[in-house]
Formats: sequence, C-alpha cells, structure tokens
Amino acid sequence: DAGVIQSPRHEVTEMGQEVTLRCKPISGHDYLFWYRQTMMRGLELLIYFNNNVPIDDSGMPEDRFSAKMPNASFSTLKIQPSEPRDSAVYFCASSLRQLNQPQHFGDGTRLSIL
Amino acid sequence: AQKVTQAQTEISVVEKEDVTLDCVYETRDTTYYLFWYKQPPSGELVFLIRRNSFDEQNEISGRYSWNFQKSTSSFNFTITASQVVDSAVYFCALRSAGNNRKLIWGLGTSLAVNP
Repeated sequence: DAGVIQSPRHEVTEMGQEVTLRCKPISGHDYLFWYRQTMMRGLELLIYFNNNVPIDDSGMPEDRFSAKMPNASFSTLKIQPSEPRDSAVYFCASSLRQLNQPQHFGDGTRLSIL
Repeated sequence: AQKVTQAQTEISVVEKEDVTLDCVYETRDTTYYLFWYKQPPSGELVFLIRRNSFDEQNEISGRYSWNFQKSTSSFNFTITASQVVDSAVYFCALRSAGNNRKLIWGLGTSLAVNP
C-alpha cells in the first residue's frame, strides 16, 4: 500500500517567495497532520484536519502560513512570503479515526529559505 | 499537564551491546496511548509500536522489546544485540483520550551504534 506522499522532497527558494508543500494522505485515513521539525524546537504540530475540515490550527506560526485540504486525498501547506526562519523539515502525517491508531508520516519536505 | 520526557539526549554503544531508551510520561487521563517512532539518518519518521493504557503486557519484536509500567509511568524501549542500522533518533509520544488527536512528543534520544 502507498504511504503518505509529500512533494517536493527538497525546496530551496529565496526569501519573500511563495512556497507550497503538498501531501497525499493514505487512502481511507480520516485525519491529516502537518508538522515542522527543527533542531531548536523539535517536532511541532502546525495544524490538523478531520475529514478535510481544519480542527486545530493553533500551531500555525503566523498569518504567513496557511493550509488547505480541498478533498480527502490532497492537502497543501503554503508559506507566503517565506522567511529564512521558516527553513525546516515539514512533515505530513495521516491516521485512521480511532484514538489508538498511529500517525503515519511522509518522507518530509526539506525547505531552505535563502 | 501532559508531558513526555526522554532524559537521554544521546547514547553511544558498540555493536552487539544491549541498550535501553527511557520514556517517562505524565497524564491525568486514565485512557491514553503511547507510541515509539524511529527517525533514521535519512530523515523519515517510522512508526514502531503502540501501547494502550489498559494493556500492560510487554512486547517483543525480534531484537526490540518494550516495557510498559503504569506504576512508574514509563514505556521503555530495549534493543538487544544492537546493530549499526539501529542508529537513529527515537521518539516516544503520548496521546490522551482528552487531548483530541494531538501527540505529545518527547525530544528524542539519538542512538549511535558504532561498529
């Protein structure tokens, strides 16, 4: 079975540019999560969706960040305008709806803002 | 408050040694779930195991074993006869029934297995 698919794997762009990260969750999973991982802060939950509806976006750093899930098989995380401090690895994860189900992660997008 | 503590930041062992990674958690909920994840140098996060709060049975999977003890709020992970391929960062995480879907993550333990 296909796992969570993220694209691109690597992104290098200049400060001020718009960045769009993409995620395809595992088919049949009800929940989708976006995380950011840095050396300083570790793993941070940015936002999560249930059945395409955003449930908790309290981890989104600021208005420059936005996330959408237009359908059950696709989500985007957008940063506009990007800043060097946004450089991190961004992970998407999905899970089934039962509380005891683990989150399954994509391979991540390594983002570098110059 | 809910919290996961992985007190060991870095561990270095020689191949074939046994190693235990500690995980201590805090929660007031009576129903909760504990998870271990592995992050190898390639960067992906791999789910290893889940344990429910009402199931204290320990588990063994090959060279890996997990010891869940509610009395000490610990969920420790032991690798027997470690191998270089075990080198990774290992994360322990907690989900409580009252915390929606959020996972509370430990800061991870970086394990280096040297040949």
